[in-house]
Amino acid sequence: AQTVTQSQPEMSVQEAETVTLSCTYDTSESDYYLFWYKQPPSRQMILVIRQEAYKQQNATENRFSVNFQKAAKSFSLKISDSQLGDAAMYFCAYRTANTGNQFYFGTGTSLTVIP
Amino acid sequence: DAGITQSPRHKVTETGTPVTLRCHQTENHRYMYWYRQDPGHGLRLIHYSYGVKDTDKGEVSDGYSVSRSKTEDFLLTLESATSSQTSVYFCAITDRWNTGELFFGEGSRLTVL
Repeated sequence: AQTVTQSQPEMSVQEAETVTLSCTYDTSESDYYLFWYKQPPSRQMILVIRQEAYKQQNATENRFSVNFQKAAKSFSLKISDSQLGDAAMYFCAYRTANTGNQFYFGTGTSLTVIP
Repeated sequence: DAGITQSPRHKVTETGTPVTLRCHQTENHRYMYWYRQDPGHGLRLIHYSYGVKDTDKGEVSDGYSVSRSKTEDFLLTLESATSSQTSVYFCAITDRWNTGELFFGEGSRLTVL
C-alpha cells in the first residue's frame, strides 16, 4: 500500500508570513493524484488544492501553491500571506488512479498562525 | 457543497453494544468510504464501497462491517463496540470521472465507555 508521510506534526507562522508544509509519499505508480486538505476546528474537511501526477506544472489556488517533485515523491504546500483563518490541521493525501480509487492520508500537520 | 449527511453526529454508548452509523449522499457518486480519525494517526480507511452491494476492507476493518443496499446509503456497524473504537468517523464520497477529490461528511463522534 502507498504511504504518505508528514514529518512536521506542528508548525507555526506569523500572520502575513509564508509557511511551507512538507509531504512525501511512497508509490510505484506513475499516474496518481495528490491533495491537501484543511481541517479547521469545525472538523469539516476542506479541499485546499489538488495536483495530477501527469502535470508538470505546480498547482496554485490563490495564496496556496504546491511544489510537486515527482522524482523525489515530494508534495509540499506553501501558504503565502498567512491569515488567522489558515490555522487548522492540514492533511496530505494520495489517490490511486487505477481500480479501487483508494485514498491514503498523512498524519497531519497542525498549523498555528500567530497574530 | 457535496450533499453528504452523517447520522448520528454524536453518540455515547457502552462497551459491548451494537452501533450503526449512517452516511447518506445525494450526489449519486459511485464510491463511498468510511474513515476513522484519531490523534497521531490521521485518517485511516475502515471500509469502502465501489457500488451497490460491492464493498471491500480497508486497513483498520477489524470489528467493523458495512452495507450498501442503495447508491445513496452506506452503513457502518460496530457489532460490539469497544473503547478502542472511540473516535471520529468520517464518511466520504468520490466520482471517478469527476474532479478526483474526496468529499467529506461532517463527521460522527463516537464515545464508547
